[in-house]
Amino acid sequence: GESVGLHLPTLSVQEGDNSIINCAYSNSASDYFIWYKQESGKGPQFIIDIRSNMDKRQGQRVTVLLNKTVKHLSLQIAATQPGDSAVYFCADPPLAGTYKYIFGTGTRLKVLA
Amino acid sequence: DAGITQSPRYKITETGRQVTLMCHQTWSHSYMFWYRQDLGHGLRLIYYSAAADITDKGEVPDGYVVSRSKTENFPLTLESATRSQTSVYFCASSLRVRTGGYGYTFGSGTRLTVV
Repeated sequence: GESVGLHLPTLSVQEGDNSIINCAYSNSASDYFIWYKQESGKGPQFIIDIRSNMDKRQGQRVTVLLNKTVKHLSLQIAATQPGDSAVYFCADPPLAGTYKYIFGTGTRLKVLA
Repeated sequence: DAGITQSPRYKITETGRQVTLMCHQTWSHSYMFWYRQDLGHGLRLIYYSAAADITDKGEVPDGYVVSRSKTENFPLTLESATRSQTSVYFCASSLRVRTGGYGYTFGSGTRLTVV
């Protein structure tokens, strides 16, 4: 079946450095992707999305890159802060006419002081 | 998350018992979803609902029952709990299935342990 997968289960980054979290997907028909952040004891929270007709999208301190050739997404967090500590996962929302939302397993970001 | 409330936050139950997890949203979202989250797996859809009195199975529905008599409530019942149902359960809601730009709104989860 279709899937999204993250490359590393855990990523440790020094406070102030940039973080890069990677994700691979399998469905060539996917037309947009979402990144979620999940803090300990909380539900996932939307961070940013990117449509398949874009290569890059920027938000506040976050940038998503999409490489459709190799079916790869990355989430870059600039100047990582302690509040960024969480599990991040990419998600492949349902295609039209379906309810199947494919979530990755997540990368735990640890911010070191 | 503000607007979607799950209860209880933690529950321990015995094998074979019936247990109901509650979900209440104040957004008037049409769609509501129940997911379970386990180590090594992404969120997996148990059941979803497109509107009051309209529900359907997701990927892993066995052993679960849902109802939606009111738009704002979407309870999930484990008819006879098994240890394999030990998990963290998340309720989510959305105006549409395909959101674009904002994703689903998730509750804070219920951690269920079946002993």
